[in-house]
Amino acid sequence: EDKVVQSPLSLVVHEGDTVTLNCSYEVTNFRSLLWYKQEKKAPTFLFMLTSSGIEKKSGRLSSILDKKELFSILNITATQTGDSAVYLCAVSQGGSEKLVFGKGTKLTVNP
Amino acid sequence: NAGVTQTPKFQVLKTGQSMTLQCAQDMNHEYMSWYRQDPGMGLRLIHYSVGAGITDQGEVPNGYNVSRSTTEDFPLRLLSAAPSQTSVYFCASSQGYTAYNEQFFGPGTRLTVL
Repeated sequence: EDKVVQSPLSLVVHEGDTVTLNCSYEVTNFRSLLWYKQEKKAPTFLFMLTSSGIEKKSGRLSSILDKKELFSILNITATQTGDSAVYLCAVSQGGSEKLVFGKGTKLTVNP
Repeated sequence: NAGVTQTPKFQVLKTGQSMTLQCAQDMNHEYMSWYRQDPGMGLRLIHYSVGAGITDQGEVPNGYNVSRSTTEDFPLRLLSAAPSQTSVYFCASSQGYTAYNEQFFGPGTRLTVL
């Protein structure tokens, strides 16, 4: 059965902390891994990863994929209260054209 | 561009009623999909379409029908609503014919079935 597992499910930190969110997957015919941020509304796109070892960065956020060990991490440095959200990981599969989501990590950043 | 639009934003149904959730996009995307989101469950794929006239089932298709007569529109029909269908529904679209690329999500429809 195809699955995407995110950990931890929830995380509470203080402003300024650095956090690492994990996403592991077991899917057939992997094509890409995507990260989304969801604050009380629709998910918004953060990164798409297709190749191992190539870091994607956007400001304080960065992500990397390991296709051998079947996981990805999302790092957020110098967290701010505006980073509080649910972070979703999804994996796309070739052939079936389906996107499989993990359950998400709820991040709370306290001032 | 309006992006992906969904109507209605909120809906309350009684068990057994039917209704259609509307989804439209103006980005000329071929790939469109419907998800439901329940607390602690992430997003689960209901149905998807890789172009006009082509639809397929996702992870949780039971109780839902879709059709895709145009590139722009992808309505989701609840045939006989059940309390288990209480959820937030998101429509999404992406470039090309696959789920490979960034998905653009609509604002969601919060559905309650009594």
